[in-house]
Amino acid sequence: GENVEQHPSTLSVQEGDSAVIKCTYSDSASNYFPWYKQELGKRPQLIIDIRSNVGEKKDQRIAVTLNKTAKHFSLHITETQPEDSAVYFCAASPGYSTLTFGKGTMLLVSP
Amino acid sequence: GAVVSQHPSRVICKSGTSVKIECRSLDFQATTMFWYRQFPKQSLMLMATSNEGSKATYEQGVEKDKFLINHASLTLSTLTVTSAHPEDSSFYICSARAAGGPDTQYFGPGTRLTVL
Repeated sequence: GENVEQHPSTLSVQEGDSAVIKCTYSDSASNYFPWYKQELGKRPQLIIDIRSNVGEKKDQRIAVTLNKTAKHFSLHITETQPEDSAVYFCAASPGYSTLTFGKGTMLLVSP
Repeated sequence: GAVVSQHPSRVICKSGTSVKIECRSLDFQATTMFWYRQFPKQSLMLMATSNEGSKATYEQGVEKDKFLINHASLTLSTLTVTSAHPEDSSFYICSARAAGGPDTQYFGPGTRLTVL
């Protein structure tokens, strides 16, 4: 089955800095890669996703890049703000199937 | 759009009792719903996949007789934790995928189960 590795487990940045979280996956059949943000005790919320037919997708301060050859994808957050502090999960799926999640990255943005 | 509700949000019960958790898609029809379990500071672990009108598919290591799943309609799936024990205490989260739509999963707010 699919195996998703996520790094780093914790990331501390100053407000205004950029943050990058990286994930690798093992199943070459995976073609859907969502990122979720989860605040303490709350539901995971989809913040951005990418499919294997594109290499990069951007939504305001958030971007995701995908390298299918190397089987890795990354989340980029620019101009970080304290409200970006949360746990971020990457996931991979072969499409219309189950999601396999990474272990999560706790992002702390200090004012 | 794509709102998923879950009830109850929190439940405390005595060991040996059964607890039912409901997951509803409020503004879309969901042919497939998923049930996850999340321990503190850990990732989401898929327990089972629930398809409307058919038996759930359980992940390896998940006891189907302990975690009963029913997906009776396109907007409702239920998870019943039977004879709950303290080790079943966890955060249970459902997600739903829209019928005929993209494969995006939308999550419910979760249920915090505490078994005394």
